[in-house]
Amino acid sequence: NAGVMQNPRHLVRRRGQEARLRCSPMKGHSHVYWYRQLPEEGLKFMVYLQKENIIDESGMPKERFSAEFPKEGPSILRIQQVVRGDSAAYFCASSLVNNEQFFGPGTRLTVL
Amino acid sequence: GQQLNQSPQSMFIQEGEDVSMNCTSSSIFNTWLWYKQDPGEGPVLLIALYKAGELTSNGRLTAQFGITRKDSFLNISASIPSDVGIYFCAGPEDDKIIFGKGTRLHILP
Repeated sequence: NAGVMQNPRHLVRRRGQEARLRCSPMKGHSHVYWYRQLPEEGLKFMVYLQKENIIDESGMPKERFSAEFPKEGPSILRIQQVVRGDSAAYFCASSLVNNEQFFGPGTRLTVL
Repeated sequence: GQQLNQSPQSMFIQEGEDVSMNCTSSSIFNTWLWYKQDPGEGPVLLIALYKAGELTSNGRLTAQFGITRKDSFLNISASIPSDVGIYFCAGPEDDKIIFGKGTRLHILP
């Protein structure tokens, strides 16, 4: 049973470009969460999604960031017009019915 | 929102030593979680605590949920090289998990 999968593992973008981060939850999990980790920090919650619905986006920056979890396919975290401050590790977690969250290996975004 | 304070921030120990780290919160948690993050990976749940005063073990790891519900500690006995990593305390708040800043464990050769 594969765990949470994220790709790419590493992503380099120039300022102003778009970054798309993908997350495939564990088989059977319909709840997806995105977190951001800055260097020397803990993970900070961004958004919680169920299939086709955003449940809680209280941790998402108001501009440039969006997330979706379509009926088919992975969850996508999209960052438009990236800036240097967006450089971080972005982790996805999935769960059954708001239960224990299992984390993926993360995508490390570097903005040049 | 709730804040979690972990101490120490870093530890440098010899292999075989016991390790103790703790976590305090600004308000009450009903569940305490301890995670470990290896370099380049996501956090993995080590121990979950659900009741004030609860003491739970997982191999060489032992964690306790403080009576006040505002603190928890994690002990690692007889450390080995693969214990190196970052240890996070965390607690659920609504749908999300709140993480501390972590304790970085280094093992000296």
